[in-house]
Amino acid sequence: SQQGEEDPQALSIQEGENATMNCSYKTSINNLQWYRQNSGRGLVHLILIRSNEREKHSGRLRVTLDTSKKSSSLLITASRAADTASYFCARQTGANSKLTFGKGITLSVRP
Amino acid sequence: IAGITQAPTSQILAAGRRMTLRCTQDMRHNAMYWYRQDLGLGLRLIHYSNTAGTTGKGEVPDGYSVSRANTDDFPLTLASAVPSQTSVYFCASRGQDTGELFFGEGSRLTVL
Repeated sequence: SQQGEEDPQALSIQEGENATMNCSYKTSINNLQWYRQNSGRGLVHLILIRSNEREKHSGRLRVTLDTSKKSSSLLITASRAADTASYFCARQTGANSKLTFGKGITLSVRP
Repeated sequence: IAGITQAPTSQILAAGRRMTLRCTQDMRHNAMYWYRQDLGLGLRLIHYSNTAGTTGKGEVPDGYSVSRANTDDFPLTLASAVPSQTSVYFCASRGQDTGELFFGEGSRLTVL
């Protein structure tokens, strides 16, 4: 079974606003990754944060990781309509172990 | 363009039929994966291969088989399809250095 949860399940915001999505997990991780999926397409990797890192940035994306709380957040700043997609967090427990995906968060950005 | 190629894009087949979903990558990645994606359930791992010649079972392997004869190809076979195997199937490979997964565009399978 999949470990952890993402919340909210769905998020609707206005263009220009920030979007915050959360991911929690239950066991220790080697790294945590965030992916994006546009409707009808495959998943695309956004960002990876290792267990010894607390924050990473990539363009308008900011990811934080709190290993004591076993949680991560993905922040998209100044959202655009094109950010409308499903976002998934995925946990890797060991360097060569498999990724476990959450159920995803549906983000809608209204123009 | 380097990446993962899946075929077919979509397929409708009758229950009981045999079906093979094809997956090819040109990035020389060692590890490859098959996931199924169902509404409300997210992505679930079916089978994986850490390197050519080896395979392993994921979370939902029953009714599926895989082979990894070489680095590039990782086909997924449904020996006798059932309606519960209606899903979107994604093949992925993992970058050696980065650990990130590269996904194909998916194969939408409907079993009637």
